[in-house]
Amino acid sequence: GQNIDQPTEMTATEGAIVQINCTYQTSGFNGLFWYQQHAGEAPTFLSYNVLDGLEEKGRFSSFLSRSKGYSYLLLKELQMKDSASYLCAVRERGNTGFQKLVFGTGTRLLVSP
Amino acid sequence: ETGVTQTPRHLVMGMTNKKSLKCEQHLGHNAMYWYKQSAKKPLELMFVYSLEERVENNSVPSRFSPECPNSSHLFLHLHTLQPEDSALYLCASSQDLATAYEQYFGPGTRLTVT
Repeated sequence: GQNIDQPTEMTATEGAIVQINCTYQTSGFNGLFWYQQHAGEAPTFLSYNVLDGLEEKGRFSSFLSRSKGYSYLLLKELQMKDSASYLCAVRERGNTGFQKLVFGTGTRLLVSP
Repeated sequence: ETGVTQTPRHLVMGMTNKKSLKCEQHLGHNAMYWYKQSAKKPLELMFVYSLEERVENNSVPSRFSPECPNSSHLFLHLHTLQPEDSALYLCASSQDLATAYEQYFGPGTRLTVT
């Protein structure tokens, strides 16, 4: 089974830093992903962690601790365009053996001026 | 633009109608997916195809019928739907199942069942 928890909504100010947390429980963990989804648009891939530690990509960083079942997405120097939903997804083995993504409900981030 | 297109973008249908959703990917990928996204619920995987063969059916009701005529096209045929089927239906593709972590999503079809 799979259980992924992330906050429903967060607010932050332009130029600030925000951390979006994600906790998960899984029997077949094989990687954690973050996607960004603007309203009415397709989710787009942001980051991927399979080993413990921090992955940095420009203003966005993602951290993973497999022993704690915990990840966070860190957004620096927030811009108005960062207002979107951020989806945490865990890769696990499916019924037929292939590896599928299981998503959390997403965190809606509102960036204000 | 992710290289995955979906039509129509919006669809309103009655419970007795039959309609189809279309997805096309221009990325040369071998795996394609259908997801359902309902308000305040996680993205739910519905079907997975690899090289035109279905490899996963996630306990989806038979009123949803997928079709994959080739590796670039994926359809979702709808019939006798219920109001609770109203949702955003997203198509995605990936290079293959082994590299499923990087899925490219289409913009979705917003379906309303009346």
